[in-house]
Order: sequence, then C-alpha cells, then structure tokens
Amino acid sequence: DAGITQSPRHKVTETGTPVTLRCHQTENHRYMYWYRQDPGHGLRLIHYSYGVKDTDKGEVSDGYSVSRSKTEDFLLTLESATSSQTSVYFCAISDQLAGPTPNEQFFGPGTRLTVL
Amino acid sequence: TQLLEQSPQFLSIQEGENLTVYCNSSSVFSSLQWYRQEPGEGPVLLVTVVTGGEVKKLKRLTFQFGDARKDSSLHITAAQPGDTGLYLCAGVEAAGNKLTFGGGTRVLVKP
Repeated sequence: DAGITQSPRHKVTETGTPVTLRCHQTENHRYMYWYRQDPGHGLRLIHYSYGVKDTDKGEVSDGYSVSRSKTEDFLLTLESATSSQTSVYFCAISDQLAGPTPNEQFFGPGTRLTVL
Repeated sequence: TQLLEQSPQFLSIQEGENLTVYCNSSSVFSSLQWYRQEPGEGPVLLVTVVTGGEVKKLKRLTFQFGDARKDSSLHITAAQPGDTGLYLCAGVEAAGNKLTFGGGTRVLVKP
C-alpha cells in the first residue's frame, strides 16, 4: 500500500467553524490532490498541488483553501464550514499522469466530515 | 472542465452473469483509468488505457478505449460476488496533471 494517511478519519463540527484536514505521504510523490465524494457525483477535485507552495484550484474550490509547506503534507482548510460541505474527503498522490506512460493515483482512506 | 458520463449508475446482477459499464465524453483524453472502490476505502486503480482502440484484459475484466479516445467500457464476464463495488472511470487531461472522474457505477453481484 502507498504510504498515505489522512487525519482525522471522522469529524463532526458545527456550521461556521474552521476545519483543517491533513494528508501525509511517505512516498515523495510530486503531486497531491484533495477530492470530495458525494452520492451520484463520483470524485470531484477541490484543489491540487504540483510542488511545495505550488497549488491550483479544481472544479469545486469555493469555500476551501489549501497549503503545502512540505513535500509530504497537504492541508485542506474549510474557513467557515457549511452544511453543504458535509462529505467524504479523499487525498490522493501521484507522479506524472499525462503522457504515454501515465502513473497511478494513490488514494488515502478518506475523512468523513459532518457539518451540523 | 471536461466531463465524463458513466452508465448505468447502478447494476444488480446474479453471479455468473455478464455486465458492461460505459464511460462517455465529448472531449478527448490523453488516457483513461478505471478504479474500483470498496465501502469505507479509497479507490484503487484497475487499469490504464492509453491508445485509441486499445483493449486490455485483467482476468474476467475487459477494458476498451474508444478509437477517438473519448469513451471507454468495462466488461465483466461471469461476475462473482467479489466484483461488487463502485467502479469509477477517470480521464487524464492532456494539459495539466489531473483526473476527471465519472459519477461511478455501483455494481452488486448477488450469489
């Protein structure tokens, strides 16, 4: 198994509170990603990182921010949680995906977040 | 943003039957990956198809990439209860290092 962990694994919080989810990898992969998974929507990309301090938005980035100060850690922050952000959040890591020999994306175990 | 449509959303079949899952887009992808996800876990890669028209077999699973690299299919022969899970297709965008996921197909194989 790829060395990728997420913390916390479960969290219940109230609307309006800040929440930070952590993703940690031991594989030294360049790229890291945050997705959310909701019924009927598959996985939707929130933000991703292509190096330390290099990040970019995904398709559902509103209300989320990220930071990557070290290769191994990628943090996802909900500045003021809303009920619509109740979801399962997955972190993923990979090397180069595009090109003739695409690599695999490895996923963490997920964080189940409930915003009341 | 490129979109991927998966169909059907849900399949329930008896053990021994065959099934096909489709993944369609109006956009061209650099390559396409299929993942399977078990409850409470993250998705795990099954296969990557890169060349238009490519067919890959993984035991009882057959994956095909469309000639125009816009669509793909997954066919399972003689399904077994162990094939139960959520199947996700994901397109690799030529620009950038990102995946676009389909909505997923939940497969239930009953013994």
